[in-house]
Amino acid sequence: GIQVEQSPPDLILQEGANSTLRCNFSDSVNNLQWFHQNPWGQLINLFYIPSGTKQNGRLSATTVATERYSLLYISSSQTTDSGVYFCAALNQAGTALIFGKGTTLSVSS
Amino acid sequence: KAGVTQTPRYLIKTRGQQVTLSCSPISGHRSVSWYQQTPGQGLQFLFEYFSETQRNKGNFPGRFSGRQFSNSRSEMNVSTLELGDSALYLCASFEGTEAFFGQGTRLTVV
Repeated sequence: GIQVEQSPPDLILQEGANSTLRCNFSDSVNNLQWFHQNPWGQLINLFYIPSGTKQNGRLSATTVATERYSLLYISSSQTTDSGVYFCAALNQAGTALIFGKGTTLSVSS
Repeated sequence: KAGVTQTPRYLIKTRGQQVTLSCSPISGHRSVSWYQQTPGQGLQFLFEYFSETQRNKGNFPGRFSGRQFSNSRSEMNVSTLELGDSALYLCASFEGTEAFFGQGTRLTVV
């Protein structure tokens, strides 16, 4: 089945810094999503991005499906950006999301 | 539109008991899937239902089961609970191929 790998596993930043999180997937996928897990455990949708580039405020994401990777960019990071970021790929059958192990981001003031 | 609703939010059970968790998808969504999150194993796929049919099941023992009702609400059941079943259980409903998650049920087995 599909394998999803995220890097780096941990990232420590000062407020105001920029960062790039990477997600590699092993096979062609139906969908690629980025989530931020809040302190209570809920996965908050950041981007639905099977291909191309999207931007939402200080966050943007790019997926190059032919090369099987996706990038999440966070610019001018804030302490509220802290938490765990997951990417997840939907299998070809469209029946299971496969998650990476996440990147834990810590932003200090 | 209301989001995905999971109940209960927190649960404490004793080893050997069974538990049922509930998930109400976003109105109009017919696909529901369940995931288990533990510190050691991360987020793992449990099963997926579409129009009351299980279409896929993850690599979990038979103690884990689920079902979906005609209104798309889904339940998952874990029988003979073990300490290792302590986890955050997340449910997602799908609009096309985009997943939306509920707040999760945090299960503690003592």
